Amino acid sequence: DARVTQTPRDKVTEMGQEVTMRCQPILGHNTVFWYRQTMMQGLELLAYFRNRAPLDDSGMPKDRFSAEMPDATLATLKIQPSEPRDSAVYFCASGYDGYNEQFFGPGTRLTVL
Amino acid sequence: GDSVTQMEGPVTLSEEAFLTINCTYTATGYPSLFWYVQYPGEGLQLLLKATKADDKGSNKGFEATYRKETTSFHLEKGSVQVSDSAVYFCALTRSGNQFYFGTGTSLTVIP
Repeated sequence: DARVTQTPRDKVTEMGQEVTMRCQPILGHNTVFWYRQTMMQGLELLAYFRNRAPLDDSGMPKDRFSAEMPDATLATLKIQPSEPRDSAVYFCASGYDGYNEQFFGPGTRLTVL
Repeated sequence: GDSVTQMEGPVTLSEEAFLTINCTYTATGYPSLFWYVQYPGEGLQLLLKATKADDKGSNKGFEATYRKETTSFHLEKGSVQVSDSAVYFCALTRSGNQFYFGTGTSLTVIP
């Protein structure tokens, strides 16, 4: 059945390194959301796209985070340089305009040492 | 702005106990309301939803009724099982483009 996929599932890196997380939304979906989940802050919206265009990325630290959709089947979230405080689980979700539901991927667990 | 407030946890219940997790919302107009569930190590999954006032969403024995007069969408289950142990999130959207999630309520069911 159709589902959102995310890679990698786990990533351990050292402070200062670049991290790229990838998401494949469900085929046909035209909205993509990036969330970050931590114990302290809960679920935070980082960015969302509609028809590959960024609509809101106000939740993202602009100096180090960037999100893109090179094509309709791939969304990326990049952190450069990474810091220990970026350690979290990052979720991608996709949906379709006019259909009020989001479908979440399994997440990428990022640990920055 | 739009927001969701849900009951803080953690909640610990014995198997077959009755569950209520409270959720209230603030939004203009008529949002759609959701309960999502997150099992350990997984992403969020839609549990149930309601799109208009007085609608009742139900799934897997869970129910929630959209109460506009009290701006609430409380989650209930008559008899919980160990397999219901998870984190539950209340959420709303008005447009389908912007979703607002509560902080999550952790439920542990003990045999």
